Amino acid sequence: DIQMTQSPSSLSASVGDRVTITCRASQSINSYLNWYQQKPGKAPNLLIYAASKLQSGVPSRFSGSGSGTDYTLTISSLQPEDFATYYCQQSYSMPRTFGQGTRVEIK
Amino acid sequence: QVQLVQSGAEVKKPGASVMVSCKASGYSFSVYWIHWVRQAPGQGLEWMGWINPNGGGTNYAQKFQGRVTMTRDTSISTTYMELSNLGSDDTAVYYCARGILLAGKGCFDYWGQGALVTVS
Repeated sequence: DIQMTQSPSSLSASVGDRVTITCRASQSINSYLNWYQQKPGKAPNLLIYAASKLQSGVPSRFSGSGSGTDYTLTISSLQPEDFATYYCQQSYSMPRTFGQGTRVEIK
Repeated sequence: QVQLVQSGAEVKKPGASVMVSCKASGYSFSVYWIHWVRQAPGQGLEWMGWINPNGGGTNYAQKFQGRVTMTRDTSISTTYMELSNLGSDDTAVYYCARGILLAGKGCFDYWGQGALVTVS
């Protein structure tokens, strides 16, 4: 199984901050990498697919990059509605695996 | 619009089985695989497997092999996930999600609202 490791596990940031979350795969996943946002009590929501493609309807302040084993989710200017938990997920092989999540909290 | 609507919360005793349903609407049911993902309280997301509504083929995570069964009823655009021999560590919210290829790579673009299964 491909292990996905996110860092940090949590972070505190202020509205307007630039936030970066990283995700490392245990082997190369060739940009088969997705990012999801989850708010308390809600289902995850797809933000980024194929490492860098913005899902329809997702604000442009979200962006993704990376290749091989290392990937990054960036929020260019954190907004109040962005406080949530973010998960990376690989779709390179079965079983699909997720990172452990990064909780973004208000500073 | 695309919707996945799941059945309601369940409370089960250890050793029992639970079946969660996921009704799809707003798209052609047979075209997209349905995946099941669970989330224990305060924990991360765990993929359980998928079912192909076109033909009923399945693939389960090794952890759940022998305990999970995914089925579908195409006449009502509904998939089912049954988990047997429940233990307390199966207490979780169970989600269905639509699998899709975007830019040639798979992702989950629509999710059900989740169904809480409590084993106690």
